Amino acid sequence: GAGVSQSPRYKVAKRGQDVALRCDPISGHVSLFWYQQALGQGPEFLTYFQNEAQLDKSGLPSDRFFAERPEGSVSTLKIQRTQQEDSAVYLCASSPFAVNTEAFFGQGTRLTVV
Amino acid sequence: QKEVEQNSGPLSVPEGAIASLNCTYSDRGSQSFFWYRQYSGKSPELIMSIYSNGDKEDGRFTAQLNKASQYVSLLIRDSQPSDSATYLCAALFSGGYNKLIFGAGTRLAVHP
Repeated sequence: GAGVSQSPRYKVAKRGQDVALRCDPISGHVSLFWYQQALGQGPEFLTYFQNEAQLDKSGLPSDRFFAERPEGSVSTLKIQRTQQEDSAVYLCASSPFAVNTEAFFGQGTRLTVV
Repeated sequence: QKEVEQNSGPLSVPEGAIASLNCTYSDRGSQSFFWYRQYSGKSPELIMSIYSNGDKEDGRFTAQLNKASQYVSLLIRDSQPSDSATYLCAALFSGGYNKLIFGAGTRLAVHP
């Protein structure tokens, strides 16, 4: 596709349920990022992949959060045992290069934990 | 103290005026800075990047960077109602891989 694609666009999860959020980056983009955006706030960094390597996961809020990009393209962000504080928009972004970078965002997945 | 600070606004300007959006950052090692526009309910859209001290112009937009003062700004000339959005300032964190640190955003309202 022409841009970064995320699915699902909306997800409602019961507290304690596991969820998986998918990101299809722009084809050929080396860098992939996950961000979490709470209402009225800027995006907060979660993790960064360069190809299939997860080089920075310093922003993952707890060990319930796990991300992978096994073949260096599609990425999945998994949240186990969801809590109400996990409710947010999860944004994926990709960039063509390994350094710098101008990142292009997908439409996001709005997660609501009830 | 947040690493990237922005006035949350709203900043209200009349149509046709210049809108001035400001941002300060704490990471002295940051070398790359970005402005994103985010419409309500939409994802951030990159509108400007700036890496060197001084001004960078692109159409109606001018980004300004002063590394000594750790200050970044965005000027929007001839503001239009369609410019009404939240503008996010982001700095590339010097201590890690490609980590963009965002401010909370400034909400701009351009009224006819």
